Amino acid sequence: GENVEQHPSTLSVQEGDSAVIKCTYSDSASNYFPWYKQELGKGPQLIIDIRSNVGEKKDQRIAVTLNKTAKHFSLHITETQPEDSAVYFCAAIAYSGAGSYQLTFGKGTKLSVIP
Amino acid sequence: NAGVMQNPRHLVRRRGQEARLRCSPMKGHSHVYWYRQLPEEGLKFMVYLQKENIIDESGMPKERFSAEFPKEGPSILRIQQVVRGDSAAYFCASSPLNPSYEQYFGPGTRLTVT
Repeated sequence: GENVEQHPSTLSVQEGDSAVIKCTYSDSASNYFPWYKQELGKGPQLIIDIRSNVGEKKDQRIAVTLNKTAKHFSLHITETQPEDSAVYFCAAIAYSGAGSYQLTFGKGTKLSVIP
Repeated sequence: NAGVMQNPRHLVRRRGQEARLRCSPMKGHSHVYWYRQLPEEGLKFMVYLQKENIIDESGMPKERFSAEFPKEGPSILRIQQVVRGDSAAYFCASSPLNPSYEQYFGPGTRLTVT
């Protein structure tokens, strides 16, 4: 099955600096890669996603890049703000072999933005 | 448009009791997924359902766990004879179609087994 590795597990940045989180995946057939933000006590919130036919996608201060050859994708947050502090999860979709496509998640990155 | 709803938000059960977790998908979504999250861990897929059908339960423990999504009403994740190791946050997600692109998550149910 699919395996997603995420680094780093914790990340501290000064307000205004950039933050980068990296993920690798194992299944070359995966073709959809979402990123989720989870605040304490809440459910994961989809913040951006990218499909395999696109190399980069940007939404205001957030961007995601995908390298299918190397099987890795990254989340970039520019001009970080204290409200960006949360746990971020990457994920990849792959066929489960049991009749459906499943999302496999990384273990998460706890981002702390220091004012 | 209301998001995915889950209840209860917190559930405390003694060992050996049953836990029932409910999930109402977003309006217009007919695909429901259940995930479990242990502390400091990512989300692990448990089961994928459509109305009246279990499509993929490959992530579900073989014993004590079951799920349903009836024609009317919410999806239910049922855990019988709970043990301490079942303590976790359980999240439900829904999507308008499968492959499961763009899954939207509910706030979760935090189960504590004492």
